Amino acid sequence: ETGVTQTPRHLVMGMTNKKSLKCEQHLGHNAMYWYKQSAKKPLELMFVYNFKEQTENNSVPSRFSPECPNSSHLFLHLHTLQPEDSALYLCASSQNRAEAFFGQGTRLTVV
Amino acid sequence: AQSVTQPDIHITVSEGASLELRCNYSYGATPYLFWYVQSPGQGLQLLLKYFSGDTLVQGIKGFEAEFKRSQSSFNLRKPSVHWSDAAEYFCAVGSTNDYKLSFGAGTTVTVRA
Repeated sequence: ETGVTQTPRHLVMGMTNKKSLKCEQHLGHNAMYWYKQSAKKPLELMFVYNFKEQTENNSVPSRFSPECPNSSHLFLHLHTLQPEDSALYLCASSQNRAEAFFGQGTRLTVV
Repeated sequence: AQSVTQPDIHITVSEGASLELRCNYSYGATPYLFWYVQSPGQGLQLLLKYFSGDTLVQGIKGFEAEFKRSQSSFNLRKPSVHWSDAAEYFCAVGSTNDYKLSFGAGTTVTVRA
């Protein structure tokens, strides 16, 4: 039990599909994050939410749509993705600007 | 904007030998600094953190790191490596003004028997 749970762990989707990634944190934190981890590249911050309000959108394409209904849940809605979007998507949470706690990630493959 | 450089892409070390991973950061003020470890197919686990105070910080699994402001460095060390330490290690710098956390490209550690 890491405190941050991501589902599904693995996802294969076609370029015309619509799918969603889910993240739930049980730590009482106020901030939640989506990161993208591609091979041979540093982790890329995608979105940040603080108390359900989006505070950071790091120039992410609109085919990625985040949703944060409350401080414990974060979703990433996916549609019309490209093969280069295949990556490990990591969710994290933190209490203010303290250390981030990560989930185990969703391995996404776009075919 | 902050940034992190990990100069070593891959390090191989013998079991029982010492390990040092380098990290250099760029940030205009005193940063928040972190080291994370990632095993294959897993998320990132926090090893240690520096916010302020003592520049030598102790972490889990026998790791320590030293903040050197003059060198803009936060190198990670372990006196005696175990086979289970084989993983990828990430240095990260956090801003004191917003929620951005910037990561280095990572260093892969291989432990040989």
